[in-house]
Amino acid sequence: DIVMTQSPLSLVVTPGEPASISCRSSLSLLHSNGHNYLNWYLQKPGQSPQLLIYLGSNRASGVPDRFSGSGSGTDFTLKISRVEAEDVGVYYCMQALQTPRLAFGGGTKVQIK
Amino acid sequence: EVHLVESGGGLVKPGGSLRLSCAASGFLFSNYSMNWVRQAPGKGLEWLSSISSTSAYIFYSDSVKGRFTISRDNAKNSLYLQMDSLRAEDTAIYYCARDRHLGAWGQGTLVSVSS
Repeated sequence: DIVMTQSPLSLVVTPGEPASISCRSSLSLLHSNGHNYLNWYLQKPGQSPQLLIYLGSNRASGVPDRFSGSGSGTDFTLKISRVEAEDVGVYYCMQALQTPRLAFGGGTKVQIK
Repeated sequence: EVHLVESGGGLVKPGGSLRLSCAASGFLFSNYSMNWVRQAPGKGLEWLSSISSTSAYIFYSDSVKGRFTISRDNAKNSLYLQMDSLRAEDTAIYYCARDRHLGAWGQGTLVSVSS
């Protein structure tokens, strides 16, 4: 089974400043079709998770363009160009290559300074 | 607008059973695979089970295999999770989520297993 590892565990960010979260997979998530099957989710306090980024770098519908995903193979990054107060919550990466056995990272908690 | 609404959670004793439901609307339910994902209190996300659009393919995580059964009724736009032999460690919020990318989630239903 693929194991997903996120870092850091938590992050405190000043509004308007950038933030970056790393996700590493135990196996390459690069499909033969050229897509990386890595997704990012945000779970805001008291809410269910929501899809932010799919296939490594594609923003889901309605996701602000301050969120971007990058990386390939086993190493991925979620970047927030300018953090806003509404971005607080826990961010999870997830591998979608070895379906249906989806696997999540442990999560990164983002707080505002 | 895509809408998923879970129901059926509650308090149950160890060894007991519960049946969760997930009502879908706003999309062609019969075209999508569906999943159940849970989140124990203060913990991360755990994928539990998935079912293909026609119910031809069904998969479970090792933690629930043999105790939980996923099913769907495309005529009723509904997804189900029959949970038997419940344990304390099954206490969690249970979410239904659409497709392999979990592109839409319900609000979740809380299952508490305690004597």
